[in-house]
Amino acid sequence: GDSVTQMEGPVTLSEEAFLTINCTYTATGYPSLFWYVQYPGEGLQLLLKATKADDKGSNKGFEATYRKETTSFHLEKGSVQVSDSAVYFCALASGNTPLVFGKGTRLSVIA
Amino acid sequence: GAGVSQTPSNKVTEKGKYVELRCDPISGHTALYWYRQSLGQGPEFLIYFQGTGAADDSGLPNDRFFAVRPEGSVSTLKIQRTERGDSAVYLCASSLAERTEAFFGQGTRLTVV
Repeated sequence: GDSVTQMEGPVTLSEEAFLTINCTYTATGYPSLFWYVQYPGEGLQLLLKATKADDKGSNKGFEATYRKETTSFHLEKGSVQVSDSAVYFCALASGNTPLVFGKGTRLSVIA
Repeated sequence: GAGVSQTPSNKVTEKGKYVELRCDPISGHTALYWYRQSLGQGPEFLIYFQGTGAADDSGLPNDRFFAVRPEGSVSTLKIQRTERGDSAVYLCASSLAERTEAFFGQGTRLTVV
């Protein structure tokens, strides 16, 4: 079945460092890809999405590009802030299948 | 505007008891999803409603779990004869239609003792 694999955390970075969180997927058909974020004490929120190959999703300085050839959707940010500390989930939706999530990657940014 | 509301936010129950978890979706959203999230894991799909009917219930782990959405709005997840392994955060989400952005509630933390 469809699945998402993302890098295990926790990831600890200093403020203004570059962030990459890797995500690869397995799916039949042509999925839509998502990054969700869960800030401490809050519910899951959509961070960005891409619906077809080569699309780039972006929001709040975060970016991810849908790479069909490598079945990847890596999350990047050029300069992280303490307020970016959260758990990040990669997810896909394909056909009539509801969202399938990865296990999540906890990011801690220290000042 | 109101987001997805889940009640209660916390529930502690004894093994073997019956529990109901409630989800109020965003008004006008036809699609409603239930997920379960265990510590250190991503959300695990349980069931999906389109309107009043369960379009996909393949994620329900066994017949102790059941969900309803009788009027196409509020949904209730029901768990019979609870077991300690049912302890998790139960998440509800809704969307305007399938494959569009899903908005999540804060979840109900269920603890079975």
